[in-house]
Amino acid sequence: GAGVSQSPSNKVTEKGKDVELRCDPISGHTALYWYRQSLGQGLEFLIYFQGNSAPDKSGLPSDRFSAERTGGSVSTLTIQRTQQEDSAVYLCASSFSRVLNYEQYFGPGTRLTVT
Amino acid sequence: TQLLEQSPQFLSIQEGENLTVYCNSSSVFSSLQWYRQEPGEGPVLLVTVVTGGEVKKLKRLTFQFGDARKDSSLHITAAQPGDTGLYLCAGVRAGTASKLTFGTGTRLQVTL
Repeated sequence: GAGVSQSPSNKVTEKGKDVELRCDPISGHTALYWYRQSLGQGLEFLIYFQGNSAPDKSGLPSDRFSAERTGGSVSTLTIQRTQQEDSAVYLCASSFSRVLNYEQYFGPGTRLTVT
Repeated sequence: TQLLEQSPQFLSIQEGENLTVYCNSSSVFSSLQWYRQEPGEGPVLLVTVVTGGEVKKLKRLTFQFGDARKDSSLHITAAQPGDTGLYLCAGVRAGTASKLTFGTGTRLQVTL
């Protein structure tokens, strides 16, 4: 079956511009996560959606970052007024939440470069 | 302070050597998972351990969950270049409905 997909795969933008990153989770998965990964580093949690509950936004680094999940499926991560330190790979993952011990399925990521 | 600390952070070894990666915490976890990430891809789940003391084997990889469910280890026997990647542990704290938390990661390089 189809896995988690993300678009675009690569994005180059100028400092100060806004960007939108898209994630299509696996159908039926109730939980969706966004992470940021700088070169060679571990995963930095950004935001977590679980069903109809209020999202856990505790990982968002600043108010320039926001995310929404429409209809419990597709999610968009928006970064406003991008800065060079926002350059990273942004990963999306989905899971059945409590079922199967929260096993997460990741997309290939979007590599964002801010020039 | 990271909830899950991994060690070592980096490891470079030659083909055929054995190695162990550790994932430690002061918290108790209901389950722990191990993922491997290769360059340009997202992490892929290798195994989930749920019972204290549990040992699972996946070919040359052996995973163990600590008796107190606060730590885990990954042992690779006779490492091969294909084992190269970033290894991540992840878990959910016991008694909570919290999200999955990832460890700090161990980057493994296996050379010929």
